[in-house]
Amino acid sequence: ETGVTQSPTHLIKTRGQQVTLRCSSQSGHNTVSWYQQALGQGPQFIFQYYREEENGRGNFPPRFSGLQFPNYSSELNVNALELDDSALYLCASSSKEGVETQYFGPGTRLLVL
Amino acid sequence: AQSVTQPDIHITVSEGASLELRCNYSYGATPYLFWYVQSPGQGLQLLLKYFSGDTLVQGIKGFEAEFKRSQSSFNLRKPSVHWSDAAEYFCAVGAYTGNQFYFGTGTSLTVIP
Repeated sequence: ETGVTQSPTHLIKTRGQQVTLRCSSQSGHNTVSWYQQALGQGPQFIFQYYREEENGRGNFPPRFSGLQFPNYSSELNVNALELDDSALYLCASSSKEGVETQYFGPGTRLLVL
Repeated sequence: AQSVTQPDIHITVSEGASLELRCNYSYGATPYLFWYVQSPGQGLQLLLKYFSGDTLVQGIKGFEAEFKRSQSSFNLRKPSVHWSDAAEYFCAVGAYTGNQFYFGTGTSLTVIP
């Protein structure tokens, strides 16, 4: 059984740029959620995708957007990067939509300069 | 508004001693509750979860947690701590209205010989 994988592991961008982060869900899982974890903080829920549609969203601006593909993998896109977007971005997959047990990937560390 | 509070930012215990990590939540109904552990530079690993039923739940690595509705708490316990338990611990609430997830700010555990 393959766990949740994320790419890239690290990324450096400058303010105003756009970034795309990728996530492959665990085998058999059809739901993907994304989180932002700032240094020293707990993860903050960005959104969840199920059947290629957004299925729940936290308190993040529209410049945070996502996609889910037919194979259940997912992308997180962030436009007009700000310094405060520097964080660890975590992807989690689950076997059902909604509030379910989630399995996390190792994360992508984004640094915005 | 929904929230999760972990009152202890940092806890130090001796190896072999017992451990209790506190978690309080604010939510209008019975939430889904989770405890996750995060080692440095890693993603989150699920320790245990409570959805319904028996209020004392057992998890991996010898951890258990008890849901107390009257106190809005879901404290994590372990009778005898091992050096390998040193990590960051996060309590989380799943709110099925809107498919939202809320994490606490975490408790950092140090284990001394």
